[in-house]
Amino acid sequence: DAGVIQSPRHEVTEMGQEVTLRCKPISGHNSLFWYRQTMMRGLELLIYFNNNVPIDDSGMPEDRFSAKMPNASFSTLKIQPSEPRDSAVYFCASSPLQGRIETQYFGPGTRLLVL
Amino acid sequence: GQQVMQIPQYQHVQEGEDFTTYCNSSTTLSNIQWYKQRPGGHPVFLIQLVKSGEVKKQKRLTFQFGEAKKNSSLHITATQTTDVGTYFCAGGSGGYNKLIFGAGTRLAVHP
Repeated sequence: DAGVIQSPRHEVTEMGQEVTLRCKPISGHNSLFWYRQTMMRGLELLIYFNNNVPIDDSGMPEDRFSAKMPNASFSTLKIQPSEPRDSAVYFCASSPLQGRIETQYFGPGTRLLVL
Repeated sequence: GQQVMQIPQYQHVQEGEDFTTYCNSSTTLSNIQWYKQRPGGHPVFLIQLVKSGEVKKQKRLTFQFGEAKKNSSLHITATQTTDVGTYFCAGGSGGYNKLIFGAGTRLAVHP
């Protein structure tokens, strides 16, 4: 079975440009999570969805970040406009939703560099 | 809000030595999970502990969940170079399927 799929795997862009990261969760998983990982701040939860509905976006740094999940098999994380401090690895993870805390399955990540 | 603290931040050992990382939560957890991230990779699930005082073993790895369900530890016996990576604990506190990750302990093993 395919795991969590993320694209692109690497992104280099210039400050001010729009960046869109994509995620396809594991089929049948009802929860989807977006994380950001940096050396300074570690692994931060940005936002997560249950059944395509955003549950907690308190980790989204500011209005430049937005996330959507239009259906059960696709989610996007958009940064507009991007800034150098957004450079990080962005992970998408998914898990089943069965009434308890479930294992999270991480994608390979998108390595973003904003120049 | 809920916080999960993990120590040490970094550990450097000689191959064959033991290694332990500790995790403490500011609140009682419903469960705790451990993940391993290899350099350049992504976090991969290792194990979940649910019961107070629970101890689980995976070969050379021993995981413990405290009696008060607020702390946990991971102990590796006789480390190998394949154990290199960052080990994260992640706590759940009920509802909504959300985990709070610790900062991780980065393990370096020298032959």
